[in-house]
Amino acid sequence: EAQVTQNPRYLITVTGKKLTVTCSQNMNHEYMSWYRQDPGLGLRQIYYSMNVEVTDKGDVPEGYKVSRKEKRNFPLILESPSPNQTSLYFCASSFLGSYGYTFGSGTRLTVV
Amino acid sequence: GNSVTQMEGPVTLSEEAFLTINCTYTATGYPSLFWYVQYPGEGLQLLLKATKADDKGSNKGFEATYRKETTSFHLEKGSVQVSDSAVYFCALSEKNSGYALNFGKGTSLLVTP
Repeated sequence: EAQVTQNPRYLITVTGKKLTVTCSQNMNHEYMSWYRQDPGLGLRQIYYSMNVEVTDKGDVPEGYKVSRKEKRNFPLILESPSPNQTSLYFCASSFLGSYGYTFGSGTRLTVV
Repeated sequence: GNSVTQMEGPVTLSEEAFLTINCTYTATGYPSLFWYVQYPGEGLQLLLKATKADDKGSNKGFEATYRKETTSFHLEKGSVQVSDSAVYFCALSEKNSGYALNFGKGTSLLVTP
């Protein structure tokens, strides 16, 4: 089944403890992105990647890192999480960006 | 830069009513336009898309037409069902920005029996 898989689905962590949210797609897509969704603010892009080893900042990149060492994986790294990074995170991928993206099921992160 | 503006919700309709959710956009080039739907507790699903002016996207009874002259992509459905209750997001992507998706803030739709 074609899909984008994020893990974990839910995560509660403490301020400053490094964490990684994994994202993997099995569709051989070139494009991948990370978004966060917050009440009243909608969906905002964190980082995106157009191909292996090619990444770029989105609208809200501060406090996040990404890497794209393989086409299928695009992990989101929070080196020192803070409470304002409590949010619902979505990973998405696309064969060609103009055709639309497939989204993962989301990761609900709480930083205390 | 690119941006998407969609009507604020929540929108409450009775079953079988006609639905319109307005969406307008600003883009520097020639974007592709999308409607995504998010059901409660779930991720986003692509509802329909249009990649060039005058294209009409359609799916599950929903339609939207890419209007370049009015920079709009309004979502319509002739007869909504309770199962259509969800949050609807208008979005665009463009080659100049690496095909990253720019979303509107979403419109919550509640359909009552």
